[in-house]
Amino acid sequence: DQQVKQNSPSLSVQEGRISILNCDYTNSMFDYFLWYKKYPAEGPTFLISISSIKDKNEDGRFTVFLNKSAKHLSLHIVPSQPGDSAVYFCAASDRDDKIIFGKGTRLHILP
Amino acid sequence: GAGVSQSPSNKVTEKGKDVELRCDPISGHTALYWYRQSLGQGLEFLIYFQGNSAPDKSGLPSDRFSAERTGGSVSTLTIQRTQQEDSAVYLCASSPVNPYNEQFFGPGTRLTVL
Repeated sequence: DQQVKQNSPSLSVQEGRISILNCDYTNSMFDYFLWYKKYPAEGPTFLISISSIKDKNEDGRFTVFLNKSAKHLSLHIVPSQPGDSAVYFCAASDRDDKIIFGKGTRLHILP
Repeated sequence: GAGVSQSPSNKVTEKGKDVELRCDPISGHTALYWYRQSLGQGLEFLIYFQGNSAPDKSGLPSDRFSAERTGGSVSTLTIQRTQQEDSAVYLCASSPVNPYNEQFFGPGTRLTVL
């Protein structure tokens, strides 16, 4: 039973355009959400997070949107750059417990 | 360096042998996690240590898997009688005492069971 779902295993986006990565969750107790980025042969690195009291958090080219009623969050990257090609993991936590990760979405930025 | 380190980086073993994987978390981090990523799969939670509390072992796939954390720092993940399906990248992460549980990952150990 997957509590955090990333339904798109891969996504290809033209360089300079917007990349939108989606994530759905089932546990209404989750109140903190994170995105991690992973390059091959490296561990995941933290990218951006959002708490449930917000519906948007922005950091440079990266923006995370949270829709609590739909139990959905998304990561927007604009403009997309070649170095953004990686696997992106969505994760969720109820703060006092472990973080649950999705299966990841592989993003390809096309030249 | 100040990051999470893991050893070995690669381990090839024969089916039926025992292996030990090591994780050195960031100094001062009270929480330590083990995950594994099998080919084409996401991050699968294995076990979670938080301070002196009893570890959360709910993700361990079988009783062949065990982990310990000595002195609240270094952790060892042990897999007994390895099977081919144990082949994966095993990732360790640590996090400080904060309400946001941001985790810092090590580079992982790639385990191949022949």
